[in-house]
Amino acid sequence: DAGVIQSPRHEVTEMGQEVTLRCKPISGHNSLFWYRQTMMRGLELLIYFNNNVPIDDSGMPEDRFSAKMPNASFSTLKIQPSEPRDSAVYFCASREGQANTEAFFGQGTRLTVV
Amino acid sequence: GDSVTQMEGPVTLSEEAFLTINCTYTATGYPSLFWYVQYPGEGLQLLLKATKADDKGSNKGFEATYRKETTSFHLEKGSVQVSDSAVYFCALSGGQAGTALIFGKGTTLSVSS
Repeated sequence: DAGVIQSPRHEVTEMGQEVTLRCKPISGHNSLFWYRQTMMRGLELLIYFNNNVPIDDSGMPEDRFSAKMPNASFSTLKIQPSEPRDSAVYFCASREGQANTEAFFGQGTRLTVV
Repeated sequence: GDSVTQMEGPVTLSEEAFLTINCTYTATGYPSLFWYVQYPGEGLQLLLKATKADDKGSNKGFEATYRKETTSFHLEKGSVQVSDSAVYFCALSGGQAGTALIFGKGTTLSVSS
């Protein structure tokens, strides 16, 4: 398996523009997580899905952020409109089964909003 | 809610020194505990895990013991190498927050030769 695949790897956009980050989890994994990593705040859990259903989105910073998982092999994280403070590395991770199993991370998307 | 607290970094050591990175957690129930490592420019990868009290996870010379009485999961290695330089994250899953995977803020380790 190719692992968790995220795209794009790097994104530079202007403030106010819409940004869409994409994630393809490992086949057969039923949990998917979106994280944001910054120097100041570390690794923050934004939202996670079990069996394509959002379970907890309490980490989503505000209404400008939205996430979807239309099927088991694809998820998106959208920011509209983007702001400079959204600049960060966004990671997607997937996991098979229960809470004691390993989560596999993608390489991340480095987002810069200017 | 569930949370993980790690010692602040950076940690700077000479090669072959002993390493300890402290991690404590707050959770209801019986979470599983993990250490992940992140090398520059990469995503996180699992280093070791423990799923119940008194379990010891180990991998690549690193080890950590699940201590329920002190709610701790400290990472140790007897002799670090330059190649161990990375960011280390303590995490939990399966506590009050259910199946969410919650991370500490990470500890940067720098090893010099």
